[in-house]
Amino acid sequence: EPEVTQTPSHQVTQMGQEVILRCVPISNHLYFYWYRQILGQKVEFLVSFYNNEISEKSEIFDDQFSVERPDGSNFTLKIRSTKLEDSAMYFCASTDSTGNTIYFGEGSWLTVV
Amino acid sequence: SQELEQSPQSLIVQEGKNLTINCTSSKTLYGLYWYKQKYGEGLIFLMMLQKGGEEKSHEKITAKLDEKKQQSSLHITASQPSHAGTYLCGADIMGHTDKLIFGTGTRLQVFP
Repeated sequence: EPEVTQTPSHQVTQMGQEVILRCVPISNHLYFYWYRQILGQKVEFLVSFYNNEISEKSEIFDDQFSVERPDGSNFTLKIRSTKLEDSAMYFCASTDSTGNTIYFGEGSWLTVV
Repeated sequence: SQELEQSPQSLIVQEGKNLTINCTSSKTLYGLYWYKQKYGEGLIFLMMLQKGGEEKSHEKITAKLDEKKQQSSLHITASQPSHAGTYLCGADIMGHTDKLIFGTGTRLQVFP
């Protein structure tokens, strides 16, 4: 079974600090995503990324957020100055050109204190 | 109103019983994805449906898409404790898979 891997699995950070969440998508996939899930709530779309640029982003994905594919394997989500309301589970996902199977990682729990 | 509604919100069944979970969209469904999530963990892909009337099965789980009703159902036959978890439907309502909208989930508990 192919796997999307995410690090760290848990992170606690102080409000105002920068956080980088890392993801290694499945190797032959071309489309990458970040979603988040606040405890007890729905999974929400943040951003999609293809061909080294953002293809779509949600209202949540404001100027505090950025994504990058720094090399051929990693995909990162940066939150520049974290707020309490950024506390959530962040999921990375990827798919190939068909979009028939979108695989999600195990998630990164972010707690902002 | 919600774009994607799941019902029921929670379900408790005895092991061996069959059950059905529904996912209804207020918009046209271009693709419908079913996932299973255990508390605090990632989403496990189950199956994806695209065409009206399409039905797919994986082990004891079958999902069907009714394009006219903009609805998908997930049916589990002879439920096992291993089926316990939250089932999420995610929909492509834009015509491309750049963005999925998720339902609130159906929490399934299976008791012996």
